[in-house]
Amino acid sequence: AQSVTQLGSHVSVSEGALVLLRCNYSSSVPPYLFWYVQYPNQGLQLLLKYTSAATLVKGINGFEAEFKKSETSFHLTKPSAHMSDAAEYFCAVSDRKGTGGFKTIFGAGTRLFVKA
Amino acid sequence: DVKVTQSSRYLVKRTGEKVFLECVQDMDHENMFWYRQDPGLGLRLIYFSYDVKMKEKGDIPEGYSVSREKKERFSLILESASTNQTSMYLCASSSEGQVGWYTEAFFGQGTRLTVV
Repeated sequence: AQSVTQLGSHVSVSEGALVLLRCNYSSSVPPYLFWYVQYPNQGLQLLLKYTSAATLVKGINGFEAEFKKSETSFHLTKPSAHMSDAAEYFCAVSDRKGTGGFKTIFGAGTRLFVKA
Repeated sequence: DVKVTQSSRYLVKRTGEKVFLECVQDMDHENMFWYRQDPGLGLRLIYFSYDVKMKEKGDIPEGYSVSREKKERFSLILESASTNQTSMYLCASSSEGQVGWYTEAFFGQGTRLTVV
């Protein structure tokens, strides 16, 4: 079964500093990987997704993630943090069911704090 | 814009009550999902459906059932609510995409259910 591990339940950075949120996955087949963001009292919103077209994936709000098969990682980065980036971030992997349809496995989430 | 609408943002129910959480999507998506979100546990899949009248158990189906009589609507039912079902419930939908490859899930705003 596929799984996702996010290292660090909380990450704190200063405004303008590099953001690095770590995600490792386990999968026996080429995966579809995603990063979602959740702002307070809202649902999840897609940041970016990897579907094997390119290993470096650019998303919204200046975020990007690099797929590294050898490390089974899909870490999320942003060169310069902004106060508005404070939110919870979820890494996810998709899993096609033999009977049809997909389900998505989510990591436990990483809450990002941005200090002024 | 894709819209996934959950019928209630906040709900308070008594132990033993039968509870219905409704979700409607307006993008003709094949797949619909119910997740439960708890601090430190991320999102856990309760049930999903990849077609009308079709359903599959997720990781934590116990104490829940679902109904999908129409493509746009997916209902989560708590047969007899218990205090350990107090949580945030998130509905999501996704399209099968072209050639059957996976597209991202679109989420509703969530329903925060409290069982007293």
